[in-house]
Amino acid sequence: EPEVTQTPSHQVTQMGQEVILRCVPISNHLYFYWYRQILGQKVEFLVSFYNNEISEKSEIFDDQFSVERPDGSNFTLKIRSTKLEDSAMYFCASSGQVTGELFFGEGSRLTVL
Amino acid sequence: SQELEQSPQSLIVQEGKNLTINCTSSKTLYGLYWYKQKYGEGLIFLMMLQKGGEEKSHEKITAKLDEKKQQSSLHITASQPSHAGIYLCGADYDTDKLIFGTGTRLQVFP
Repeated sequence: EPEVTQTPSHQVTQMGQEVILRCVPISNHLYFYWYRQILGQKVEFLVSFYNNEISEKSEIFDDQFSVERPDGSNFTLKIRSTKLEDSAMYFCASSGQVTGELFFGEGSRLTVL
Repeated sequence: SQELEQSPQSLIVQEGKNLTINCTSSKTLYGLYWYKQKYGEGLIFLMMLQKGGEEKSHEKITAKLDEKKQQSSLHITASQPSHAGIYLCGADYDTDKLIFGTGTRLQVFP
């Protein structure tokens, strides 16, 4: 069964460092998303991406965040200068339709020290 | 206040018992999705309910959407330890994303 894969599964970084989280969405999907979940809190929307551009972003997704689809398979989330409060589980998701089921990856746990 | 409220926040039931989780929206729903999350893992899709109200079942799980109340319920019949996890409802408000509720943590003991 096709699945969304994310790497790394866990990353530890120092505050102020740049981090790139990688995702390989399901191959024929067109809509891509990043969500995050701070420990013990709800799953929060960060950004949606379609047709090589951001279609919507939340207040959390400030200038420190960026997304890219550098080739036909990868979808990345970059945090330029990490803060302690960026520590969270980051989930990538993809969908074949704009209002269809979202398929989630297993997540990348980011720990900022 | 949250636009999507789930209740209860947590639930502990004995194996074999039935249970219901509710999800209430403060805005008009265009669709409602139910997901299950095991601790520290990704979200697994369970069911999607369309605007207008509908009911769906899969194995021992039944979900309903009441359009009048803008509320959905997820009912598990004869719960098993494998049902344990965090249940999340996700709202489609006709935007390019799903908004998730706060989650309901379910524990099932033998």
